[in-house]
Amino acid sequence: EVQLVESGGGLVQPGGSLRLSCAASGFTFNSAWMSWARQAPGKGLEWIGRIKSKAGGETTDHAAPVRGRFTISRDDSKNTLYLQMNSLKGEDTAMYYCVVGAAGDYYLAYWGQGTLVTVSS
Amino acid sequence: VMTQSPAALSVSPGERATLSCRASEIVHSNLAWYQQKPGQAPRLLIFGASTRATGIPARFTGSGSGTDFTLTISSLQSEDFAVYYCLQYNNFWTFGQGTRVEI
Repeated sequence: EVQLVESGGGLVQPGGSLRLSCAASGFTFNSAWMSWARQAPGKGLEWIGRIKSKAGGETTDHAAPVRGRFTISRDDSKNTLYLQMNSLKGEDTAMYYCVVGAAGDYYLAYWGQGTLVTVSS
Repeated sequence: VMTQSPAALSVSPGERATLSCRASEIVHSNLAWYQQKPGQAPRLLIFGASTRATGIPARFTGSGSGTDFTLTISSLQSEDFAVYYCLQYNNFWTFGQGTRVEI
C-alpha cells in the first residue's frame, strides 16, 4: 500500500523559511517522479513542483508563483521527499501535499494527507 | 488554463451528474479527475480521460479528448457529494478550479 506522510508544517512569519518532508513507502521511491501540490484554505488545488527520478537526472520544475523561493529535493536512501520554502508570503498559507506520479505515466496518482503551513505575523 | 463548469451542482441522490472541464489548449487524453471530501486529500478517479482508477465504481465515467472533457456520475450516492477537480498533465500540471456537487 502506498503511504505518503508529510511533516514539517507550522506557523512561520512572513519572510521566514520552512522545510517540509514526505516519508514514502509502499512503492519503488527511487524510480518515482514526485510532486508537491498545495491548497489554500477554501480554495482549489495548485501544483507547485516536481522532481524526476535519479534516472531522469533528478530534474526539478517549479510553478511560477514559487519559482526561485521553493526548492524540491529527494533522498532516495531515506525514501524521503523535501520542499525547502524560503521568503514565505501570506499567500503561501496552505495545506501542502506530497504526491507520487504514476509509474510509466504522468498523472498524479497518490496523495499524502498533507501538512499545514501558515504564514502570519 | 483549465475551466470547470458549473462551479456548483445541486442534485438529489440517485440522479445523474454531469461535470465539464475545458482546456485552453489541446491536452489530448492527458486528463485526470479527482474527488475531494472535506478534510481529506484528493482521490484519483479517472486518468487518461476515461480510465477508472483501481477501486473506482462503474458509476463514474470519464469521456472526451482534445480540449473538452466530461465526468458523469450515473446515479449519485450519498458518498459522492464532494468537490471534483480535473487535471491536465500534457504540459506540466494544471488543475481546474473545481465543481462542488451538493444536495
